[in-house]
Amino acid sequence: AQTVTQSQPEMSVQEAETVTLSCTYDTSESDYYLFWYKQPPSRQMILVIRQEAYKQQNATENRFSVNFQKAAKSFSLKISDSQLGDAAMYFCAYRSDVIQGAQKLVFGQGTRLTINP
Amino acid sequence: NAGVTQTPKFRILKIGQSMTLQCTQDMNHNYMYWYRQDPGMGLKLIYYSVGAGITDKGEVPNGYNVSRSTTEDFPLRLELAAPSQTSVYFCASSHIIAKNIQYFGAGTRLSVL
Repeated sequence: AQTVTQSQPEMSVQEAETVTLSCTYDTSESDYYLFWYKQPPSRQMILVIRQEAYKQQNATENRFSVNFQKAAKSFSLKISDSQLGDAAMYFCAYRSDVIQGAQKLVFGQGTRLTINP
Repeated sequence: NAGVTQTPKFRILKIGQSMTLQCTQDMNHNYMYWYRQDPGMGLKLIYYSVGAGITDKGEVPNGYNVSRSTTEDFPLRLELAAPSQTSVYFCASSHIIAKNIQYFGAGTRLSVL
């Protein structure tokens, strides 16, 4: 079974600085998707960024980028120019099985990110 | 744009009571999902549906039932509530074209005492 591990329960960063959140996963598949979700205090799960395993280029969405190391099974999230609104729980997720098109996601335990003004 | 709507937002149940968590989406999405999030943990898949009339178990289905009579609605039923079902429940949906992007509701916080 696929597993996703986030080894940093909490992280903090000064506003405007850069922070990197770590994620490792275990799989025997060669083609899959990886995601980072943000969960602010409102509890709403928001997709931040996604990466397709067959694409070597790292995904980027504005201030958010990933460092995808397929061989090492590592998928870290870099947040540049941190803003107060970035404070949230961040979850790494792996798309496991696909059953008739339904995408089963496996989530890590989460990293709580605090932004210090 | 309503997106994925979950009701209620909060609920307290006594052990052995039953309840239904409602989930409705107005995006005409084929795929719908129910997750639970225990304190300090990530989400775990309870049930999912690939379309009206078709549902299947996820990782942690015990103690729950679902139905999907319409494309829009995907209710989750707890028949005999137990303290182990205290959690935050999330409903999500995705489109048949953009299957990888799941849109989440705001969650239902359930306490079983």
